[in-house]
Amino acid sequence: EAQVTQNPRYLITVTGKKLTVTCSQNMNHEYMSWYRQDPGLGLRQIYYSMNVEVTDKGDVPEGYKVSRKEKRNFPLILESPSPNQTSLYFCASSHLAGAQDEQFFGPGTRLTVL
Amino acid sequence: GIQVEQSPPDLILQEGANSTLRCNFSDSVNNLQWFHQNPWGQLINLFYIPSGTKQNGRLSATTVATERYSLLYISSSQTTDSGVYFCAVEPETGTYKYIFGTGTRLKVLA
Repeated sequence: EAQVTQNPRYLITVTGKKLTVTCSQNMNHEYMSWYRQDPGLGLRQIYYSMNVEVTDKGDVPEGYKVSRKEKRNFPLILESPSPNQTSLYFCASSHLAGAQDEQFFGPGTRLTVL
Repeated sequence: GIQVEQSPPDLILQEGANSTLRCNFSDSVNNLQWFHQNPWGQLINLFYIPSGTKQNGRLSATTVATERYSLLYISSSQTTDSGVYFCAVEPETGTYKYIFGTGTRLKVLA
């Protein structure tokens, strides 16, 4: 089954404790992206990747890191989480943007930083 | 940067009613998608529609790229249509970023 998976689905952590949210897709998509969703603000793009070793900032990259060492995986790293990073996070993938293909989203990761 | 506005922000319908949701964008786009976020938070693709008209069952969408808007039509609404509807655009800037509207929250009453 074609899908985007994220882990963990729920996470409660404390300020400053490094964490990684994993994202994996099995559709051989070139493009992968991370979003955060906050009440009243819709979804905002954090980082995106055009292919292996090619990443770029979205609209809200501060406090986040990403890596794309393999085509199927695109982990989101919070080196020193803070309470303002409490949010619902989504990973998405598609064939290369600009090739006019639709994005598919993972199930979301609800993160709470205390 | 590009602005994406959706209207109305909230909508309450009786089951069986029809509705039209609108997405306005302030600049040219390469890509436009409509999504439904169900009450469990899952984002479901509805349409990939940078231009033209598409239909899928009770839902249809039209994008008029030259006038910078897209419409999502829901006919004979059902309670399972409840949730938030988002449009998302990829601006025609070559950056491959995506910008989401703030959504239309729909509640369908039985």
